[in-house]
Amino acid sequence: EADIYQTPRYLVIGTGKKITLECSQTMGHDKMYWYQQDPGMELHLIHYSYGVNSTEKGDLSSESTVSRIRTEHFPLTLESARPSHTSQYLCASSGYYEQYFGPGTRLTVT
Amino acid sequence: ELKVEQNPLFLSMQEGKNYTIYCNYSTTSDRLYWYRQDPGKSLESLFVLLSNGAVKQEGRLMASLDTKARLSTLHITAAVHDLSATYFCAVDGYSGGGADGLTFGKGTHLIIQP
Repeated sequence: EADIYQTPRYLVIGTGKKITLECSQTMGHDKMYWYQQDPGMELHLIHYSYGVNSTEKGDLSSESTVSRIRTEHFPLTLESARPSHTSQYLCASSGYYEQYFGPGTRLTVT
Repeated sequence: ELKVEQNPLFLSMQEGKNYTIYCNYSTTSDRLYWYRQDPGKSLESLFVLLSNGAVKQEGRLMASLDTKARLSTLHITAAVHDLSATYFCAVDGYSGGGADGLTFGKGTHLIIQP
């Protein structure tokens, strides 16, 4: 059973607000990822990290930023939310073979 | 650039029937993943296929991998309503170059009717 957590699970916020989506895992994995998914669509990689102090942008351009100060924690920040950021954000971590997904944060920007 | 194509994208089938979902990918990779997603939920790992010729089965689902053809299949045997979901295949981008992490297909939306 994978232990990867995301908060909040649902968030409705106004345009221009700063938000941070939290992701933590207790498996000691070095690799962590953020994916964005619109309803019924495929997932797109927006950020990943190989370990502490490592962050990289993924295939899909995103206005969000990430940090990795601790192995278990990989938060995603939007400095100024816009309606185009409305989506589901899924955090994942990876052992050698498996990639485990958190429950997701469904973000709505009004 | 790694591309992953699934077909069909939509599938409506009757209970008791068999069907196969196909997943093609464009560059060399030795790791292929199948996930299930229910509406509004996260992804549930079904299979991880790690080598050419790998075959894994769980209940009514069986997945296989042909790395030479760059093709994976997910076969459903005697479908039941509980298998209705969206099924994604994904390929590990590491060996294919570009960003690390998984590259996903568009998903197959499967509806199984009584």
